[in-house]
Amino acid sequence: GAGVSQSPSNKVTEKGKDVELRCDPISGHTALYWYRQRLGQGLEFLIYFQGNSAPDKSGLPSDRFSAERTGESVSTLTIQRTQQEDSAVYLCASSQVPSGGEFLAATQYFGPGTRLTVL
Amino acid sequence: GNSVTQMEGPVTLSEEAFLTINCTYTATGYPSLFWYVQYPGEGLQLLLKATKADDKGSNKGFEATYRKETTSFHLEKGSVQVSDSAVYFCALSDPVTGNQFYFGTGTSLTVIP
Repeated sequence: GAGVSQSPSNKVTEKGKDVELRCDPISGHTALYWYRQRLGQGLEFLIYFQGNSAPDKSGLPSDRFSAERTGESVSTLTIQRTQQEDSAVYLCASSQVPSGGEFLAATQYFGPGTRLTVL
Repeated sequence: GNSVTQMEGPVTLSEEAFLTINCTYTATGYPSLFWYVQYPGEGLQLLLKATKADDKGSNKGFEATYRKETTSFHLEKGSVQVSDSAVYFCALSDPVTGNQFYFGTGTSLTVIP
Protein backbone atom coordinates (compact mmCIF):
# COMPACT_ATOMS: atom_id res chain seq x y z
CA GLY A 1 0.00 0.00 0.00
CA ALA A 2 0.96 3.64 -0.22
CA GLY A 3 3.26 5.04 2.39
CA VAL A 4 3.36 8.50 3.92
CA SER A 5 3.72 11.15 1.25
CA GLN A 6 4.81 14.75 1.59
CA SER A 7 4.73 17.71 -0.73
CA PRO A 8 6.53 19.58 -2.00
CA SER A 9 9.75 17.60 -1.87
CA ASN A 10 11.75 20.81 -2.08
CA LYS A 11 10.77 24.39 -1.33
CA VAL A 12 12.91 27.47 -1.74
CA THR A 13 11.44 30.69 -0.40
CA GLU A 14 12.48 34.18 0.50
CA LYS A 15 12.77 35.36 4.06
CA GLY A 16 9.48 36.76 5.30
CA LYS A 17 7.24 34.66 3.05
CA ASP A 18 4.73 32.10 4.33
CA VAL A 19 5.02 28.42 3.37
CA GLU A 20 2.69 25.45 3.62
CA LEU A 21 3.95 21.89 3.84
CA ARG A 22 1.61 18.98 3.28
CA CYS A 23 1.55 15.45 4.66
CA ASP A 24 -0.66 12.55 3.55
CA PRO A 25 -0.48 9.79 6.17
CA ILE A 26 -1.01 6.10 5.61
CA SER A 27 -4.72 5.40 5.28
CA GLY A 28 -6.22 4.40 8.61
CA HIS A 29 -3.42 5.78 10.74
CA THR A 30 -4.90 7.87 13.51
CA ALA A 31 -1.69 9.45 14.79
CA LEU A 32 0.38 11.94 12.81
CA TYR A 33 3.64 13.64 13.77
CA TRP A 34 5.73 16.48 12.43
CA TYR A 35 9.50 16.72 12.97
CA ARG A 36 12.23 19.08 11.89
CA GLN A 37 15.75 17.98 11.02
CA ARG A 38 18.37 20.66 10.68
CA LEU A 39 21.57 19.82 8.84
CA GLY A 40 23.78 17.52 10.89
CA GLN A 41 21.30 17.30 13.73
CA GLY A 42 18.77 14.80 15.01
CA LEU A 43 15.03 14.94 14.58
CA GLU A 44 13.27 17.65 16.56
CA PHE A 45 9.66 16.92 17.52
CA LEU A 46 7.23 19.66 16.52
CA ILE A 47 3.64 18.50 16.98
CA TYR A 48 1.49 15.42 17.28
CA PHE A 49 -2.11 14.79 16.16
CA GLN A 50 -4.49 12.11 17.35
CA GLY A 51 -7.28 12.28 14.81
CA ASN A 52 -7.73 15.98 14.10
CA SER A 53 -6.87 17.19 17.59
CA ALA A 54 -3.37 18.15 18.67
CA PRO A 55 -2.82 17.15 22.30
CA ASP A 56 0.86 17.90 22.12
CA LYS A 57 2.07 21.12 20.51
CA SER A 58 5.01 21.47 22.83
CA GLY A 59 7.61 21.27 20.11
CA LEU A 60 6.42 24.15 17.94
CA PRO A 61 9.35 26.58 18.08
CA SER A 62 7.38 29.81 17.85
CA ASP A 63 3.96 31.26 17.12
CA ARG A 64 4.99 31.50 13.46
CA PHE A 65 4.47 27.75 13.27
CA SER A 66 1.02 26.19 13.14
CA ALA A 67 -0.46 22.92 11.96
CA GLU A 68 -3.86 21.50 11.27
CA ARG A 69 -5.29 18.18 10.27
CA THR A 70 -8.50 17.28 8.52
CA GLY A 71 -10.10 14.30 10.23
CA GLU A 72 -7.67 11.40 10.14
CA SER A 73 -6.25 12.51 6.84
CA VAL A 74 -4.08 15.25 5.43
CA SER A 75 -2.11 17.59 7.65
CA THR A 76 -0.64 20.97 6.80
CA LEU A 77 2.27 22.62 8.58
CA THR A 78 2.36 26.37 8.02
CA ILE A 79 5.33 28.58 8.72
CA GLN A 80 4.61 32.30 8.60
CA ARG A 81 7.19 35.00 7.97
CA THR A 82 9.92 32.45 7.36
CA GLN A 83 13.40 33.03 8.72
CA GLN A 84 16.70 31.57 7.56
CA GLU A 85 16.83 29.50 10.75
CA ASP A 86 13.71 27.67 9.53
CA SER A 87 15.76 26.02 6.78
CA ALA A 88 15.61 22.28 7.44
CA VAL A 89 14.04 19.04 6.31
CA TYR A 90 10.50 18.73 7.68
CA LEU A 91 9.45 15.13 8.23
CA CYS A 92 6.00 13.74 8.75
CA ALA A 93 5.22 10.34 10.27
CA SER A 94 2.04 8.43 10.98
CA SER A 95 1.21 5.50 13.19
CA GLN A 96 -1.67 3.28 14.14
CA VAL A 97 -2.04 2.68 17.84
CA PRO A 98 -1.98 -1.08 18.57
CA SER A 99 -5.27 -2.63 19.66
CA GLY A 100 -4.38 -2.38 23.33
CA GLY A 101 -3.94 1.36 23.08
CA GLU A 102 -0.25 0.90 23.69
CA PHE A 103 1.31 4.02 22.36
CA LEU A 104 4.68 2.92 23.58
CA ALA A 105 4.91 0.17 20.99
CA ALA A 106 3.43 2.06 18.04
CA THR A 107 5.78 2.20 15.08
CA GLN A 108 6.03 5.47 13.21
CA TYR A 109 6.19 5.39 9.42
CA PHE A 110 8.00 8.34 7.90
CA GLY A 111 7.50 10.28 4.71
CA PRO A 112 10.43 11.35 2.50
CA GLY A 113 10.40 14.87 3.92
CA THR A 114 10.23 18.40 2.54
CA ARG A 115 13.52 20.23 2.24
CA LEU A 116 12.87 23.91 3.01
CA THR A 117 15.45 26.53 2.14
CA VAL A 118 14.88 30.10 3.24
CA LEU A 119 17.06 32.59 1.41
CA GLY B 1 14.01 14.98 30.68
CA ASN B 2 14.20 12.48 27.88
CA SER B 3 17.12 12.32 25.49
CA VAL B 4 19.13 10.00 23.30
CA THR B 5 22.88 10.11 22.76
CA GLN B 6 24.40 8.06 20.00
CA MET B 7 27.85 7.49 18.68
CA GLU B 8 29.03 10.16 16.31
CA GLY B 9 30.05 9.21 12.83
CA PRO B 10 30.86 8.85 10.18
CA VAL B 11 31.77 5.20 10.48
CA THR B 12 33.55 3.44 7.65
CA LEU B 13 33.93 -0.35 7.66
CA SER B 14 35.05 -3.01 5.25
CA GLU B 15 32.53 -5.58 4.09
CA GLU B 16 32.04 -8.44 6.59
CA ALA B 17 33.37 -6.39 9.50
CA PHE B 18 31.59 -6.30 12.85
CA LEU B 19 29.47 -3.23 13.55
CA THR B 20 28.57 -1.56 16.83
CA ILE B 21 26.80 1.77 17.03
CA ASN B 22 26.42 2.92 20.62
CA CYS B 23 23.24 4.46 21.94
CA THR B 24 22.44 5.55 25.48
CA TYR B 25 19.31 7.21 26.72
CA THR B 26 17.88 9.24 29.55
CA ALA B 27 14.23 8.82 30.42
CA THR B 28 12.05 9.44 33.42
CA GLY B 29 10.11 6.21 33.05
CA TYR B 30 10.29 3.03 31.01
CA PRO B 31 10.44 3.95 27.34
CA SER B 32 10.32 1.85 24.22
CA LEU B 33 13.51 1.99 22.20
CA PHE B 34 13.94 2.00 18.44
CA TRP B 35 16.53 2.00 15.72
CA TYR B 36 15.54 3.69 12.48
CA VAL B 37 17.56 3.59 9.26
CA GLN B 38 17.67 6.02 6.36
CA TYR B 39 19.11 4.60 3.16
CA PRO B 40 20.43 7.09 0.58
CA GLY B 41 17.58 8.91 -1.09
CA GLU B 42 14.92 7.23 1.01
CA GLY B 43 12.83 8.09 4.05
CA LEU B 44 13.37 6.90 7.60
CA GLN B 45 12.20 3.37 8.24
CA LEU B 46 12.01 1.26 11.34
CA LEU B 47 14.85 -1.24 11.66
CA LEU B 48 14.03 -2.79 15.03
CA LYS B 49 12.52 -2.03 18.40
CA ALA B 50 12.31 -3.24 22.00
CA THR B 51 9.55 -2.34 24.39
CA LYS B 52 10.87 -3.49 27.77
CA ALA B 53 14.08 -4.23 29.62
CA ASP B 54 16.11 -7.21 28.39
CA ASP B 55 14.10 -7.42 25.16
CA LYS B 56 16.20 -7.96 22.05
CA GLY B 57 15.06 -6.41 18.80
CA SER B 58 16.38 -7.95 15.60
CA ASN B 59 15.96 -7.49 11.86
CA LYS B 60 18.10 -8.01 8.73
CA GLY B 61 20.95 -9.38 10.84
CA PHE B 62 20.97 -6.35 13.15
CA GLU B 63 20.35 -6.72 16.87
CA ALA B 64 19.97 -4.43 19.86
CA THR B 65 19.25 -5.33 23.47
CA TYR B 66 17.37 -3.02 25.85
CA ARG B 67 19.71 -2.68 28.85
CA LYS B 68 18.02 -0.84 31.68
CA GLU B 69 21.00 -1.12 34.02
CA THR B 70 23.26 0.72 31.59
CA THR B 71 20.46 2.71 29.87
CA SER B 72 21.75 1.53 26.53
CA PHE B 73 20.45 0.12 23.25
CA HIS B 74 23.57 -0.50 21.16
CA LEU B 75 23.09 -1.64 17.58
CA GLU B 76 25.21 -4.58 16.38
CA LYS B 77 25.69 -6.63 13.26
CA GLY B 78 28.15 -9.44 12.90
CA SER B 79 29.00 -8.99 9.23
CA VAL B 80 28.08 -5.81 7.40
CA GLN B 81 27.39 -5.54 3.69
CA VAL B 82 27.75 -2.68 1.25
CA SER B 83 23.95 -2.45 1.19
CA ASP B 84 23.97 -1.55 4.91
CA SER B 85 25.45 1.85 4.09
CA ALA B 86 22.97 4.32 5.54
CA VAL B 87 22.34 6.70 8.44
CA TYR B 88 21.15 5.01 11.63
CA PHE B 89 19.05 6.78 14.26
CA CYS B 90 18.42 5.64 17.80
CA ALA B 91 15.13 6.80 19.32
CA LEU B 92 12.95 6.43 22.36
CA SER B 93 9.26 7.01 22.87
CA ASP B 94 8.03 9.19 25.69
CA PRO B 95 7.35 6.90 28.62
CA VAL B 96 4.37 8.86 29.87
CA THR B 97 2.27 9.11 26.72
CA GLY B 98 4.24 7.33 24.05
CA ASN B 99 3.30 10.14 21.70
CA GLN B 100 6.57 11.99 21.48
CA PHE B 101 9.70 10.42 20.08
CA TYR B 102 13.23 11.55 20.92
CA PHE B 103 15.86 10.89 18.29
CA GLY B 104 19.62 10.82 18.37
CA THR B 105 21.62 12.82 15.84
CA GLY B 106 22.20 9.85 13.58
CA THR B 107 25.32 7.85 12.70
CA SER B 108 26.40 7.59 9.09
CA LEU B 109 27.76 4.18 8.10
CA THR B 110 29.67 3.51 4.90
CA VAL B 111 30.63 -0.06 4.06
CA ILE B 112 33.33 -0.47 1.45
CA PRO B 113 33.88 -3.62 -0.61
